[in-house]
This record gives sequence, structure tokens and C-alpha cells, in this order.
Amino acid sequence: QVQLVESGGGVVQPGRSLKLSCGASGFTFSSFAIHWVRQAPGKGLEWVTVISHDGNKKHYADSVKGRFTISRDNSKNTVYLQMTSLRPEDTAMYYCARSTSGSPEYWGQGALVTVSS
Amino acid sequence: DIQMTQSPSSLSASVGDRVTITCRASQGIRNNLGWYQQKPGTAPKRLIYAASSLQSGVPSRFSGSGSGTEFTLTISSLQPEDFATYYCLHHNTYPPAFGPGTKVDIK
Repeated sequence: QVQLVESGGGVVQPGRSLKLSCGASGFTFSSFAIHWVRQAPGKGLEWVTVISHDGNKKHYADSVKGRFTISRDNSKNTVYLQMTSLRPEDTAMYYCARSTSGSPEYWGQGALVTVSS
Repeated sequence: DIQMTQSPSSLSASVGDRVTITCRASQGIRNNLGWYQQKPGTAPKRLIYAASSLQSGVPSRFSGSGSGTEFTLTISSLQPEDFATYYCLHHNTYPPAFGPGTKVDIK
């Protein structure tokens, strides 16, 4: 069965960096785009970024452009989200999700990122 | 960027009620819209894709309709497990955007 597992979350000080990983199994990883979506505590869903199946195309939300970088290693069935210059407003649960028919279909359980001094 | 709105922001309903949630896009998005259900402490679950296609495994009481700028999610007969927050998501252009959500709770 399709499975996505996020890791790497934690507490980090403002201005510092953190790297999330999204490990996938149960499908041909190299055939699917992967999204990251986040949700601040008590708030709605916010789309963050997406990477194409081959890693050649990437798109970002304006709120993270220039600070976050998405990448993937198809040999390891893993997508990464490198987050730099973190701000308190980046505090959220971060979900990775496999794209099907253009939108996130299968989701991981999430990784919590807290930006606080 | 395309903005999404939803109405109502919350509603109270009883088991067996017919529930309709509306999502509007600030410009035309064809049928590039999905609907998601989220329960507290869990990841979202896709219910509908391409505006009206039912996700595999999702009960047939859920249905979606619309195209262009106005879309609806209908639950034909609300069940206890349907009390949750519902979000629409457009993916017509980048960046995709979610609606602000509609919380459905028990009357």
C-alpha cells in the first residue's frame, strides 16, 4: 500500500535551518510528483511546494520562496524540504503528499516544526 | 494568484441531513479542483478530484459538482463519521490554493 512518512521535525530557533524528509513506499516513486502542505496550529491548510516526478520542475508558495528548497532522490524514494531563515510563522505540521490527477492524493502523517527561541 | 473562498465557514447539522458546501475561485479554474476532509489530529483525506470524480473508497453519499469558478460538495445524508472540516483546493495554476475550510459539527 502507498505509504509516506515524514521525519526531521523539531524545535528550532528563528533564523536557523531544518531539513525534513519524506520517505515513500508502495508505489513507483519516480513516476509521481510530491507536494508539501503545512498547517499552523488551529489554522487551515497551506500549500508550500511541489517537485515533479523527475525533479526538473519545482514550484513554491510566495511565503517560502527563496527560503525553502525542495529536492528528491529517486534512488532513495525520498523527497526533502530544506528550510532556512525560519520564522515563527513557519511553525506548523508539515505534510508530504503524492500527487495524482494534479492534486495531493496520499498523505503522510506529518512532521511538526516549531520555530521558537 | 487565484484565491479560494468557501461558504459557510461552519455549519451545524444532524445525522441524516443533506449538507452543501460551496467553494468559489477568484478566476476560472476549469475543473481543476479537489475536496478534502480533515478530522482533528489527522492528515487530510481526498474525497473528490477533478471537481466531480469520487475518490476510490469514499462513500457515494459524497458528491462534487461545478466548473469554472463555482463548485459544491454535497453530503446527501450526513453520518456521524462525517463531522469534520472540509477544504477545497484548486490546482489549475501555480500556486495551488486551499479554501479556508468549512467546519461541520453536530447540531
